[in-house]
Amino acid sequence: DVKVTQSSRYLVKRTGEKVFLECVQDMDHENMFWYRQDPGLGLRLIYFSYDVKMKEKGDIPEGYSVSREKKERFSLILESASTNQTSMYLCASSHRGYNSPLHFGNGTRLTVT
Amino acid sequence: KNQVEQSPQSLIILEGKNCTLQCNYTVSPFSNLRWYKQDTGRGPVSLTIMTFSENTKSNGRYTATLDADTKQSSLHITASQLSDSASYICVVSSPYSSASKIIFGSGTRLSIRP
Repeated sequence: DVKVTQSSRYLVKRTGEKVFLECVQDMDHENMFWYRQDPGLGLRLIYFSYDVKMKEKGDIPEGYSVSREKKERFSLILESASTNQTSMYLCASSHRGYNSPLHFGNGTRLTVT
Repeated sequence: KNQVEQSPQSLIILEGKNCTLQCNYTVSPFSNLRWYKQDTGRGPVSLTIMTFSENTKSNGRYTATLDADTKQSSLHITASQLSDSASYICVVSSPYSSASKIIFGSGTRLSIRP
């Protein structure tokens, strides 16, 4: 079974702090994704990586950056957290190919105060 | 604009009853449509995938249909169980490798009452 592990289930941070969200997958997937999920808005793509050190901006990249130094690990960085970044963050991975399913982690609920 | 719309937003039914969730999309070109189930506090899990040539596909008590002409899909749940309480998300993909071509609906929240 594919396992996608997000380092924290819950995080509380203060405005202006630098925040790191970590994601690790164990199935040698080429693709990794960061989404945020807000009520009524569905999942929105923040960043996508299709290979080590490669990244693409998604629909809402402002205020975020990512790092993929190893194939199994994809990090999301909030350079200076703001209250409007309070949300559920979901990491996912998949094999290359548009018919491959996304495998999600269980999410990190981030609260910025 | 590529969009995926789901209805209803939420639904409450009694245990043992059947229900049908709807998904309409305007994504073009079309590659496939997936239904995901998201339990509370968990990430979404893929239930089924529909490609252009498929009309119906079953996965246990879940049956998905696809009408590629009208760009509509449905997910039918038979003999509902308490464990079916979850959000169901319709996701449509285009035949490109870019992740931006994966379009999510905002989901239907299903509650099963005993």
